[in-house]
Amino acid sequence: GDSVTQMEGPVTLSEEAFLTINCTYTATGYPSLFWYVQYPGEGLQLLLKATKADDKGSNKGFEATYRKETTSFHLEKGSVQVSDSAVYFCALSGASGGSNYKLTFGKGTLLTVNP
Amino acid sequence: EPEVTQTPSHQVTQMGQEVILRCVPISNHLYFYWYRQILGQKVEFLVSFYNNEISEKSEIFDDQFSVERPDGSNFTLKIRSTKLEDSAMYFCASGRGGQPQHFGDGTRLSIL
Repeated sequence: GDSVTQMEGPVTLSEEAFLTINCTYTATGYPSLFWYVQYPGEGLQLLLKATKADDKGSNKGFEATYRKETTSFHLEKGSVQVSDSAVYFCALSGASGGSNYKLTFGKGTLLTVNP
Repeated sequence: EPEVTQTPSHQVTQMGQEVILRCVPISNHLYFYWYRQILGQKVEFLVSFYNNEISEKSEIFDDQFSVERPDGSNFTLKIRSTKLEDSAMYFCASGRGGQPQHFGDGTRLSIL
């Protein structure tokens, strides 16, 4: 079945450091890919998405590019802030087409940014 | 911006009791979902609901679980006879087909 593997945390960075969180996927079809973020005590919020190969999703300084050849969707940010401290989840949906929109998540990566 | 709301935020229940978790999806969404996250583990799909019926369910979603959309606005998850291993954060989500899903803040279910 479909699966998502993401970099295990926790990740601790200083403010203004460069961030990469790796994500790779296994899917039989052509999934859409997402990054969700969970701030402490809150639900999951969509951070960015990409729906086809070579698409780049971006939001709030974060970027991720859908790489079909390496089945990857790595999250990057050039300069993190303390407010970026959260758990980040990579997810996919719709790999088998039709109306299958359920999300398959990775385990999540806890990011802590220190001032 | 419209949001998905879930109640209660925290539910404590004795093992063997029934529990109902409630969700109000975004009003113009047609697809509804429940996910759960056991502490320290990944978010797992439980069930999807479309056109007043279950469209897909995971192997976690056994006979103890049921979902309902009783009045056109609420979307509920019922666990008939709770077990200790049902303790988790339960998330409701809604969406419009291929569009990204919007999540509620979750209900933390604690089974004693």
